Amino acid sequence: DTAVSQTPKYLVTQMGNDKSIKCEQNLGHDTMYWYKQDSKKFLKIMFSYNNKELIINETVPNRFSPKSPDKAHLNLHINSLELGDSAVYFCASSWDRSPYNEQFFGPGTRLTVL
Amino acid sequence: TQLLEQSPQFLSIQEGENLTVYCNSSSVFSSLQWYRQEPGEGPVLLVTVVTGGEVKKLKRLTFQFGDARKDSSLHITAAQPGDTGLYLCAGVLMDSNYQLIWGAGTKLIIKP
Repeated sequence: DTAVSQTPKYLVTQMGNDKSIKCEQNLGHDTMYWYKQDSKKFLKIMFSYNNKELIINETVPNRFSPKSPDKAHLNLHINSLELGDSAVYFCASSWDRSPYNEQFFGPGTRLTVL
Repeated sequence: TQLLEQSPQFLSIQEGENLTVYCNSSSVFSSLQWYRQEPGEGPVLLVTVVTGGEVKKLKRLTFQFGDARKDSSLHITAAQPGDTGLYLCAGVLMDSNYQLIWGAGTKLIIKP
């Protein structure tokens, strides 16, 4: 039973394309996150949703648009992909929006922009 | 400048040795979490420390929260190849508790 799942695991695409990454959690959590981990392994928060409501929106280009159709799903759509978007993107979830809670991470999506 | 500085950035040692990695800040945190991330996977929580001076043990791993709640350390005794991974600390600032602040991590390799 996978707690937090992401698809696809790997994504290779050309500059300028539009792509989406999907995330689903079956833990019954209220809060979900998107993180970007660059080549130096630094984990940077991008967005956080609590029960389908956007609560954290860090300084991220507006080419990135999260969508939460329900509290179990948080998708990430990226328009006009650039070379610098190459990274591993992690979805995570937690019981609620409190930062004290444990975050449960998906396996990551490795995005390579050529 | 990062709020949480982890050191060393990279550590490679032989199986059986002991090691300590650090998570330091000039700010006060109300709690700190330690996560381990294995290659190709997401981070997994190891421990949360909340009280200044607190020590928690997880088998061969010992975690300590500084008395002033500005730093934390992770000590591994008799390291094994299975300890290999990226160790990340993350904390909640005492005066701004709306999100988790992450360190850049220590990449640990234990050679057999």
